[in-house]
Parts: sequence; structure tokens; C-alpha cells
Amino acid sequence: DVKVTQSSRYLVKRTGEKVFLECVQDMDHENMFWYRQDPGLGLRLIYFSYDVKMKEKGDIPEGYSVSREKKERFSLILESASTNQTSMYLCASSLLLRDRGPGANVLTFGAGSRLTVL
Amino acid sequence: QKEVEQNSGPLSVPEGAIASLNCTYSDRGSQSFFWYRQYSGKSPELIMFIYSNGDKEDGRFTAQLNKASQYVSLLIRDSQPSDSATYLCAVNPLAAGGTSYGKLTFGQGTILTVHP
Repeated sequence: DVKVTQSSRYLVKRTGEKVFLECVQDMDHENMFWYRQDPGLGLRLIYFSYDVKMKEKGDIPEGYSVSREKKERFSLILESASTNQTSMYLCASSLLLRDRGPGANVLTFGAGSRLTVL
Repeated sequence: QKEVEQNSGPLSVPEGAIASLNCTYSDRGSQSFFWYRQYSGKSPELIMFIYSNGDKEDGRFTAQLNKASQYVSLLIRDSQPSDSATYLCAVNPLAAGGTSYGKLTFGQGTILTVHP
């Protein structure tokens, strides 16, 4: 089974702190993603990466940055945490199942990191 | 803005009934469509995906896709209390140049409760 591991399940930070959320996957997937999940809003894509050192903004990148120095590791960085960044953060990696039809990118999620910014 | 809308819920059905979950999407170029289940406090897990018009069955689950109507649904037959969860519809749009990176767009989710 693909395993996506997020380093912290629960974090409490102060406004203005720099926050690092780490994610590691063990199945050599090319693509990795950071989503945030808020009640009533579903999952929203923050950033994704399709190769080492390659990244693209998702739908809500403001206030976030990412780093992918190694294929298996994708980090989300909050340069200066704010209270509106209190949320559940979900990392995912994906594999394109080329023999299962077009766009058959199956995402596997980590357990999530619940961040509270005070 | 590419959007995915799900029926608002929450949805409550008795044990043994059929639960019907619906989803519409705005991007006609979307390639494939996914249903994820998320138990409270857990991360989403894939139930099934579909990319061709029609029905796709997997055990008690049937996904239905109608690209002309931009509509995808999930039917759960013989619903069980263990099916109580939030169901997320997700769409894989066609990226520029035809490359699919798996940047799924998710709906807001529908909470399903199956009561004994």
C-alpha cells in the first residue's frame, strides 16, 4: 500500500510564526499535493508539484509556499501564520493509472495535520 | 472558475435503503470523476472512479456519469451504518496540453447518515 506520512497530526502556533508541514510518500509517485479542508468548503488545492523542484500554484496559494527537494518529500510552509490559516491540511500523492482510462490519477492522502493558529 | 457542486445534504437513509449522492461539474473538458469517502476525523479514501458515460458497479456502489448533462452520481445499495461518512465528489480537469497531473477539484461533500 502507498503510504503518505504527515509529520504532525496536531499543531498549535502563534500568529506570525513560521510553520513547516512535512509530507513523505514511499511509492515513488511523481505528483504531490497540499490541500486544506474547511467545513462547508471541501478540499481546496494550495500547491502541487509534478517533479522535484517543480511546483505550481493551486487555487488558494496566498500565504503559503512549498518545497520539493526530493521526490518523496513535499513541504508546505506558512511564512507568517495567521488565524485564517487555522485548518486541516491534507497532503496527497498520485499515480496515473495509464491502463485504467484518461485522467485516472488516484490520489492517496496522508492522515492530515490539524493546525490551530492563535 | 472550475466548480464541482454536490447535493447539500445532510442525507439520512434507513439501513438497507439506497443512498443517492449527486454531483455536477462546470468544466466540460473534465476527464475522470472520483468518489471519495471520508469518515469523521480521517482522511479521504477512494471508493471508485469513472470516465465513460454510463454506469460502473463495484460491489454495493454504482457510479453513474452523464457528460452531456455534466452530472455524476454515486448510488449505495443496501446501505449500512458503516457507510455513514462524508462523500466527496472530485473531478480531474483536462490540463493545458492534455497532461493530467491529478489536480482534482473537489465538491464540498455530502454527509450521509445511515440509521438502523
